[in-house]
Amino acid sequence: QKEVEQDPGPLSVPEGAIVSLNCTYSNSAFQYFMWYRQYSRKGPELLMYTYSSGNKEDGRFTAQVDKSSKYISLFIRDSQPSDSATYLCAMSARSGTSYGKLTFGQGTILTVHP
Amino acid sequence: DAGVTQSPTHLIKTRGQHVTLRCSPISGHKSVSWYQQVLGQGPQFIFQYYEKEERGRGNFPDRFSARQFPNYSSELNVNALLLGDSALYLCASSLVGTGANVLTFGAGSRLTVL
Repeated sequence: QKEVEQDPGPLSVPEGAIVSLNCTYSNSAFQYFMWYRQYSRKGPELLMYTYSSGNKEDGRFTAQVDKSSKYISLFIRDSQPSDSATYLCAMSARSGTSYGKLTFGQGTILTVHP
Repeated sequence: DAGVTQSPTHLIKTRGQHVTLRCSPISGHKSVSWYQQVLGQGPQFIFQYYEKEERGRGNFPDRFSARQFPNYSSELNVNALLLGDSALYLCASSLVGTGANVLTFGAGSRLTVL
């Protein structure tokens, strides 16, 4: 079983829809939770970062972490065609100088059609 | 301000050959990490370097090696290439002392092994 599970989709929604993306994980040591967006032929770009449980909102994006259920979500409100990309959840168990190891989900391919 | 730069952007090799990929981190970032992203999958951690020392290694064979230079740039070397090494190789840099695993990724080097 993978440490991080993410539904690969693909997910296709009309413009203006609310999108829900989810990941589950098995490692209780994960403390830092991130969502990255990756456009075709580009590197991943950080969208949201959350430490421990709770909600975080940034414009049209809301990240939720439920450590008791080992479940994280990203919500996109008023989705736009420019949101079409692959969304990757990522998690980490450590900070300090050992920043580098993130464990990623498989990625969900999202298409928002006009 | 320049982001994380990687070279080459694309390359084609044959089985058994050796490849060197290069990465320049964001100015002021002292930590560099390498990830392998196979088509349709999330990135997988290969190495992390901080202050020229290896701080983490993923589950990759000894054919994979890396180093970090005094100017914090980095090289990833892969020997005896296999078809399965075909992937997008991503470099990420991070700022020490943030207490968070906030990685900024480059656009990647796409390696094809024939």
